[in-house]
Amino acid sequence: NAGVTQTPKFRVLKTGQSMTLLCAQDMNHEYMYWYRQDPGMGLRLIHYSVGEGTTAKGEVPDGYNVSRLKKQNFLLGLESAAPSQTSVYFCASNPEPGGMNTEAFFGQGTRLTVV
Amino acid sequence: LAKTTQPISMDSYEGQEVNITCSHNNIATNDYITWYQQFPSQGPRFIIQGYKTKVTNEVASLFIPADRKSSTLSLPRVSLSDTAVYYCLVGLSNFGNEKLTFGTGTRLTIIP
Repeated sequence: NAGVTQTPKFRVLKTGQSMTLLCAQDMNHEYMYWYRQDPGMGLRLIHYSVGEGTTAKGEVPDGYNVSRLKKQNFLLGLESAAPSQTSVYFCASNPEPGGMNTEAFFGQGTRLTVV
Repeated sequence: LAKTTQPISMDSYEGQEVNITCSHNNIATNDYITWYQQFPSQGPRFIIQGYKTKVTNEVASLFIPADRKSSTLSLPRVSLSDTAVYYCLVGLSNFGNEKLTFGTGTRLTIIP
């Protein structure tokens, strides 16, 4: 059982380049999330999805787009990368928030550097 | 979403019990309290969740007073491997609070 898998694990981009981060989960979870974490900081929510075909904005959505065409995949896109988007990106999934023992599962992160 | 307040950092010696308190004065009736642990270069990991009174699992205990305006994560007999950042989250109620929002967390350092 792989859980939550993020691809790639590391990437260096030049300013203005585009890329897509892939998050895949094999737990049939409804909810998926993308976060960014800057050095010494907590996680900030970029976008999230409550089910296949849905997306919604989080705290810091500007400069990012997402898609959830399949339930198991949540894609995060950077159309024109900027140095301010240098960060570690985490994906998470959750069966459906609410009630006891509904824990979220996180991927191992993608370290992105924009030069 | 209920705002949470935690100490920024704490130090403790190996073998001691560590208590990290989180304040959440505007917690809603249907909100649960959940704690996550994050090691360097890893994603957060679920530790424990509770609604009221006390919850205990193999890793930690969670104490929640009757007014639920705060909660305390208790780690028994800590070791060096418990050095991590601990996040308190409030929400994820049964009524559609879809966002999983983290605060700045508490950086716990265990001293040999």
